[in-house]
Amino acid sequence: QQQVKQSPQSLIVQKGGISIINCAYENTAFDYFPWYQQFPGKGPALLIAIRPDVSEKKEGRFTISFNKSAKQFSLHIMDSQPGDSATYFCAAVPPYNQGGKLIFGQGTELSVKP
Amino acid sequence: NAGVMQNPRHLVRRRGQEARLRCSPMKGHSHVYWYRQLPEEGLKFMVYLQKENIIDESGMPKERFSAEFPKEGPSILRIQQVVRGDSAAYFCASSLVEGGSYEQYFGPGTRLTVT
Repeated sequence: QQQVKQSPQSLIVQKGGISIINCAYENTAFDYFPWYQQFPGKGPALLIAIRPDVSEKKEGRFTISFNKSAKQFSLHIMDSQPGDSATYFCAAVPPYNQGGKLIFGQGTELSVKP
Repeated sequence: NAGVMQNPRHLVRRRGQEARLRCSPMKGHSHVYWYRQLPEEGLKFMVYLQKENIIDESGMPKERFSAEFPKEGPSILRIQQVVRGDSAAYFCASSLVEGGSYEQYFGPGTRLTVT
């Protein structure tokens, strides 16, 4: 119940295309869903996050779509650029009275071809 | 405005030695989390600490691993008698928490290699 499942494991997109990464969860107590971007040799960087009372959040070229009934959420990267090539992790956080730790998906390695 | 700092960035230890990893949270943050990233795997939660308190250590291996976050100074993750399977990147993250903030900010990590 504490798992977050992420797909695909790897993704190749042409420059200017849309990258879509999907995540699914089981625990309905999760109440915060961040996405992290990680470049090789670096720490994960918070990209964008959403709460379950919102169905969509957009920041620049990055959009999270959230489907509470399906227990799924996804990251869309519009106009993908070679500089977006990185590993992306979705995560879920239970309420802080249950610990507040990040439960990560398995990661998606995105490669944007010029 | 310094972010989360970790040192050392790279650490090489022989089997059986001790490894000490340090983490200084962002200014104003009093909550620290440690995560481990094994080669070709995702990030796994290890332990959550506040100043002088371990809040959740459900992800810590039962033996050889310990963590602390003293009143003064950085948080320390300590691995005793390291084995090859401990080779991984160890990240800490800090959070403000107060005011309902769930955002966790990560340091650059310590890459531990056990030879």
